[in-house]
Amino acid sequence: QVQLVQSGSELKKPGASVKVSCKASGYTFTSYAMNWVRQAPGQGLEWMGWINTNTGNPTYAQGFTGRFVFSLDTSVSTAYLQISSLKAEDTAVYYCARLVPAAGNSGWFDPWGQGTLVTVSS
Amino acid sequence: SYELTQPPSVSVSPGQTASITCSGDKLGGKSACWYQQKPGQSPVLVIYQDTKRPSGIPERFSGSNSGNTATLTISGTQAMDEADYYCQAWDSSTAVFGGGTKLTVL
Repeated sequence: QVQLVQSGSELKKPGASVKVSCKASGYTFTSYAMNWVRQAPGQGLEWMGWINTNTGNPTYAQGFTGRFVFSLDTSVSTAYLQISSLKAEDTAVYYCARLVPAAGNSGWFDPWGQGTLVTVSS
Repeated sequence: SYELTQPPSVSVSPGQTASITCSGDKLGGKSACWYQQKPGQSPVLVIYQDTKRPSGIPERFSGSNSGNTATLTISGTQAMDEADYYCQAWDSSTAVFGGGTKLTVL
């Protein structure tokens, strides 16, 4: 079955970096874009952007440029989210989600990874 | 930037019909999706392309989208449906989520 499995929780100090992985299985990894979504504690879902799994070209949503980097290792069907210069406000659960494409540059997210909690605290 | 507005909470009695709305400018001209998120779990797609149900999603879940409002309807609501629900649409190649609605079954 189609599945996204993310790496485990992380506890980091302010100013450090973190790299979250998302391993896909059950489908052809390069056939679907991978998206990243943030959920701060007790808050809603916030789209961070996506990466083209064919070309490796990332697109970042407003507010997620500079310290956030999407990358791939297609040999192991894995997408990565790296966040540098971590701040307390980066504390959140980060989800990867496969985008099933539809007409007009749209689509839906299915499935989602189980989420990775990143906690930034001194 | 484009915004989707949902009521923060909706309450429903077991067996009754719950309706959760999602409002956005000319939303009816876009394609809306709905996700269910239970506590401590990742979101699950329950409706896509306004009205379609993924395999495995019960028939009691349905959707509509017209004008400025998309609606998720849960008929014969069960206790297991208690969760947060998020609408989502695309605007200018940007995915936008509504703020979420907490559905309470009491």
